[in-house]
Amino acid sequence: QQQVKQSPQSLIVQKGGIPIINCAYENTAFDYFPWYQQFPGKGPALLIAIRPDVSEKKEGRFTISFNKSAKQFSLHIMDSQPGDSATYFCAASIEETSGSRLTFGEGTQLTVNP
Amino acid sequence: DAGVIQSPRHEVTEMGQEVTLRCKPISGHDYLFWYRQTMMRGLELLIYFNNNVPIDDSGMPEDRFSAKMPNASFSTLKIQPSEPRDSAVYFCASSSGGSRGETEAFFGQGTRLTVV
Repeated sequence: QQQVKQSPQSLIVQKGGIPIINCAYENTAFDYFPWYQQFPGKGPALLIAIRPDVSEKKEGRFTISFNKSAKQFSLHIMDSQPGDSATYFCAASIEETSGSRLTFGEGTQLTVNP
Repeated sequence: DAGVIQSPRHEVTEMGQEVTLRCKPISGHDYLFWYRQTMMRGLELLIYFNNNVPIDDSGMPEDRFSAKMPNASFSTLKIQPSEPRDSAVYFCASSSGGSRGETEAFFGQGTRLTVV
């Protein structure tokens, strides 16, 4: 089954905190793991992505940690800001055979209080 | 490029009516995806096309749903007849293919469908 499980469903932190969102997958054929950010009334937009040949990727304040043996990956947001308040989706795909046919997690609604 | 363009942005229709959602992908992209987003089920892939050919429609919920891509710059998702449980936000997305580093999916703004 090509499922991606995401937690928590919602998360509230104070400005400057480090929210962590976790995802787990089942299909070991997945080879591309993006995170998408969605603001109200907008479509999801790619935030950061990782492939299983590395254990961590950092872009600005956003970091993905990847544990291939556990089939888990997580998003960390350093020094979170109110503008980071959005819904975050993890996803997974098999790049070479299906382009970006993404299987999404359930989503995490993040609120960063001032 | 203006990105993925969807129309209409909002649609309110009565149960039983036909609804057609439209999408213009980013020029040069050869994959097109239709997703549905609801609170209960999150983001679900309905169908996707590669070079205008439907590849996987296993996510289409019922025969009431159909999708076409007559050319590289246009796709439609049709619901006939519509039902209240079809109420959701429908997203179209496009991407440039399966090569490493080129699989970012670009989403449109979505069409919010309400069936009353």
